[in-house]
Amino acid sequence: QVQLVQSGAEVKKPGSSVKVSCQAFGGTLSSYTLSWVRQAPGQGLEWMGRIIPYLGVTDYPETFQGRISITAERSTSTTSMELSSLRSDDTAVYFCAHGYRFGPDLDSWGQGTLVIVSS
Amino acid sequence: DIQMTQSPSSLSASVGDRVTITCRASQGISDNLAWFQQKPGKAPKPLIYAASKLQGGVPSKFIGSGSGTDFTLTISSLQPEDFATYYCQQYNTFPRTFGQGTKLEIK
Repeated sequence: QVQLVQSGAEVKKPGSSVKVSCQAFGGTLSSYTLSWVRQAPGQGLEWMGRIIPYLGVTDYPETFQGRISITAERSTSTTSMELSSLRSDDTAVYFCAHGYRFGPDLDSWGQGTLVIVSS
Repeated sequence: DIQMTQSPSSLSASVGDRVTITCRASQGISDNLAWFQQKPGKAPKPLIYAASKLQGGVPSKFIGSGSGTDFTLTISSLQPEDFATYYCQQYNTFPRTFGQGTKLEIK
């Protein structure tokens, strides 16, 4: 099974950007999907988008359109999520998850990365 | 967007009990539904996909059922490690959406 390892915690100022990375071990990104999900403190899960690395195709919900970019580097099996124009309500734990293009796409999860947005 | 509504939002039960959580989709999603278990400070753990298929290593005490708009997760013979928050998620259409979660607490 794929193991996903995410980058470390970040503290950002409002209006800035954050980039969180997720590296896959024990597998490749070549024929799968990589999604991002976040969880604000004490809240539920929110899907942020996904990429099909071997196609470079992305899907984002409208709530994040224009503010999010998910990219993949196939040579290092690494995917990254960049969120811009940060606000205090972007404070959350951000998870990456590996899955299948035509099937469950949140099959293996990274450990999570805490992003705090504070002035 | 497809709205996923879980009930109840919270549930108190005792060790050894059997509980059922329901998840309703605002439109039909076939069997493209997953269930997750999450404990504090941890990533969600996939339990079930395709509405009723167990992920590898998940004990058979977790039973998922349903199709279309109505789904259930039943957990039998509750053990202390089962007390957690459970989420359903549809992967039929974009954007993917989750239920609001059901917190299962020890009575």
